[in-house]
This record gives sequence, structure tokens and C-alpha cells, in this order.
Amino acid sequence: AQKITQTQPGMFVQEKEAVTLDCTYDTSDQSYGLFWYKQPSSGEMIFLIYQGSYDEQNATEGRYSLNFQKARKSANLVISASQLGDSAMYFCAMRERLYNFNKFYFGSGTKLNVKP
Amino acid sequence: GAVVSQHPSRVICKSGTSVKIECRSLDFQATTMFWYRQFPKKSLMLMATSNEGSKATYEQGVEKDKFLINHASLTLSTLTVTSAHPEDSSFYICSAISGTGNYEQYFGPGTRLTVT
Repeated sequence: AQKITQTQPGMFVQEKEAVTLDCTYDTSDQSYGLFWYKQPSSGEMIFLIYQGSYDEQNATEGRYSLNFQKARKSANLVISASQLGDSAMYFCAMRERLYNFNKFYFGSGTKLNVKP
Repeated sequence: GAVVSQHPSRVICKSGTSVKIECRSLDFQATTMFWYRQFPKKSLMLMATSNEGSKATYEQGVEKDKFLINHASLTLSTLTVTSAHPEDSSFYICSAISGTGNYEQYFGPGTRLTVT
């Protein structure tokens, strides 16, 4: 089974609107971390937001919030007030701890296009 | 946030030659570094996990004799693509974690390798 699933290969959103990018994960660990990264066309991976498995509140970072539903194993990214500069690939990732080493898994990504 | 540099950013080499890519954590000590490969419009594929002072752990299907990884210090890991072939052309990204906090990965800017 895939560890991280992003079911939306591409998304369009109107500038200034909010958009939700979906992410579901699969793990049997009790302690894990969930991350979202943005990758613009230049290629660098930009960290956006982190959610720990024991965090009871949804993480927020400026216009980014993570809708964490532990029972459903989902960690959707919500971008409020979209801007043209938000157009990029977005990757959901999960960290597990395996034999005292950290292991990271990435989803297939969602390409977001913000329309003016 | 923490800074990871990668050098070179772009390299073109001839088939049969070897190429070395450096990954440095500039303002923290990286207990673990990761090397990823990314094909166009695809997700990151983990190649290997590099722990300082020990041998790298390669993912299934990644040839350890072809992709030599050295993590000689807490701030430097190198990936050497030996006897490069055109099919090795790709975007290679390194990342580092400090082993504390959320174990967030800090990514380098990536290296675009083209083998002619």
C-alpha cells in the first residue's frame, strides 16, 4: 500500500480564493510527522507546515493550515487567499521512525495553478 | 530556517565520466542526509540515507556501486555518479535533518545533471 496518497494531480483556483489539497497517509506507528512542501518551477523544495501525530490542534502557518483528521488518516493542506505566486507543485510527506532511523515518504504531488 | 547548499547547481558531463555532487548543511550539524532523484513532473524518489560516519543505506533498486555516497562529516555529504550514462540525467536533491525538534528535512536547491 502507498504510504502517502495525493489524489489530485492538478488543481485550479481563482486568485484570492481558498483551496484544499488532499493527502491521506498509511502508517501503523503511533508517533509520526506530516509535512507539506512547495516546489516551484525553479526546483527547490520549500517547507510549508508540519503536524505531529500527537498534536491535538491543527497546525497553521500564515495562509497555510493543515486539516489533520487522525482517524481518517488525512492531512489536507488549506491555502487561504491564493496568490499567483502559489502556483507550484505541492508534496505531502510523512516521517516514520524505523529502527531508530527516520524514514520519509512523499506523495506524488499536486500541481496547483492560480488563475488571475 | 536552516540552510542546505548543493553544488554544482547544474552539470553537463560526457557519458562514461564521473560526477560528484556536494551537499552541505551551512548552519547546523546534520546527523542524517538524504539523497533523492526526481524525474520531470514526478515525485521525489529516495535513493539513499546517509548517516555521518557510517555507510549509506540504499533503497531497493539503487546501485550502490554506481551512486557512491560519502558522509564524512556532520556538515557534508557527497554523491558521486560513476560512469554516468544518459539515463542518469535527472534532478538530484539532497536534504538534511538535525536530529532534534520535528526532524524537519531541509532541502538543498538541487543539481540538474545532464549526461551527453
